[in-house]
Amino acid sequence: GAGVSQSPSNKVTEKGKDVELRCDPISGHTALYWYRQSLGQGLEFLIYFQGNSAPDKSGLPSDRFSAERTGGSVSTLTIQRTQQEDSAVYLCASTNRGGQGRNIQYFGAGTRLSVL
Amino acid sequence: QQPVQSPQAVILREGEDAVINCSSSKALYSVHWYRQKHGEAPVFLMILLKGGEQKGHEKISASFNEKKQQSSLYLTASQLSYSGTYFCGTEIGDSWGKLQFGAGTQVVVTP
Repeated sequence: GAGVSQSPSNKVTEKGKDVELRCDPISGHTALYWYRQSLGQGLEFLIYFQGNSAPDKSGLPSDRFSAERTGGSVSTLTIQRTQQEDSAVYLCASTNRGGQGRNIQYFGAGTRLSVL
Repeated sequence: QQPVQSPQAVILREGEDAVINCSSSKALYSVHWYRQKHGEAPVFLMILLKGGEQKGHEKISASFNEKKQQSSLYLTASQLSYSGTYFCGTEIGDSWGKLQFGAGTQVVVTP
């Protein structure tokens, strides 16, 4: 596609429910990153994919968070038993190589998650 | 490991200059600068690799001091379109290209 696409753009859920957030990266981009941005804060790294593998999951806050990527393309971030502190904007970025170097990360517009 | 950005916020009149700093306690491989407008995705501005290079994007330029592990972003003759939150993202060695972002600097340019 023309850019990184994320869906839904907004998600309101009740505490305790599970949610799935989707990221469709730029076609051909092999690396994909998930970040979380709380209100007025910077971007917090969650997980990195190279192809379908996740070499770095160090940023996932708890075992309620998981992510997968299939076909080297679409990625899904799943949050189980959501808590109010999970409320944030979840951003996805993709790049065409990954690893060190001149790897510009292109961001999607994010999913704004509100847990009531 | 999160880099420290300063100032937190700056208000400028059109045509004025500003400097945003980004400091890290870790040895850096590269520094990335992004601008985010409210409710929108962060937009890439430039990458600086270690070696002290300098880059420019319109009238926005940046430098990277490898010895100090510090990068500075220079907004010259600011325009209204420069308003937004500027983030630096730092990359350390063997980090899979992962960026650690600063908390951001909010820039408001007024007429």
